[in-house]
Amino acid sequence: QVQLKESGPGLVQPSETLSLTCTVSGFSLTSYNVHWVRQPPGKGLEWMGVMWSGGSTDYNSALKSRLSISRDTSKNQVFLKMNSLQSEDTTTYYCARGSYNNYFDYWGQGVMVTVSS
Amino acid sequence: DIQMTQSPASLSASLGETVTIECLASEDIYSNLAWYQQKPGKSPQLLIYDASSLQDGVPSRFSGSESGTQYSLEINSLQSEDAATYFCQQHHDYPPTFGGGTKLELK
Repeated sequence: QVQLKESGPGLVQPSETLSLTCTVSGFSLTSYNVHWVRQPPGKGLEWMGVMWSGGSTDYNSALKSRLSISRDTSKNQVFLKMNSLQSEDTTTYYCARGSYNNYFDYWGQGVMVTVSS
Repeated sequence: DIQMTQSPASLSASLGETVTIECLASEDIYSNLAWYQQKPGKSPQLLIYDASSLQDGVPSRFSGSESGTQYSLEINSLQSEDAATYFCQQHHDYPPTFGGGTKLELK
């Protein structure tokens, strides 16, 4: 069955870099896109970026200067790196599988990240 | 970016009732609208895509419709497990954008 699971540190120091991993199973990264979406506590959803099945990426313009998404297809993993973290980056980060028409049909459980010293 | 204005922000309804949640797109999104359900502490789950197509496994009491740039999610015969926050998302153009959410409470 399709599964996605995020992993990473729960606490990051201000101005440091966040590194998250999305490990997928039940589908191939070369056949499906994987997106990153985040959600501040009690708030709405913000799309961050996508690793396309072909290996290219697109980013939310508001985050583009700080964000990098990569993958390792041999390990079925997609990586997110975001630098210069601030308190407003305290949120739950999700990876999600993108459908053929760019809605999100499967989501990971999410990982809560707190930016604090 | 396409703006999605979702209403109401919250609503309270009784078991067995029917409720409607709406999303207004800032421009034509050509039926490329998805609805998600999110329960506390859980990730969003896809309910409907392409405005009215029901995701596999989703009960038929959930339905989606559209009128111009206005999209609606209707939940019939409310059950206790329907208490959640619902989000719309346009999947017509990049970046994908979401409505602000509707918190549904069961009386």
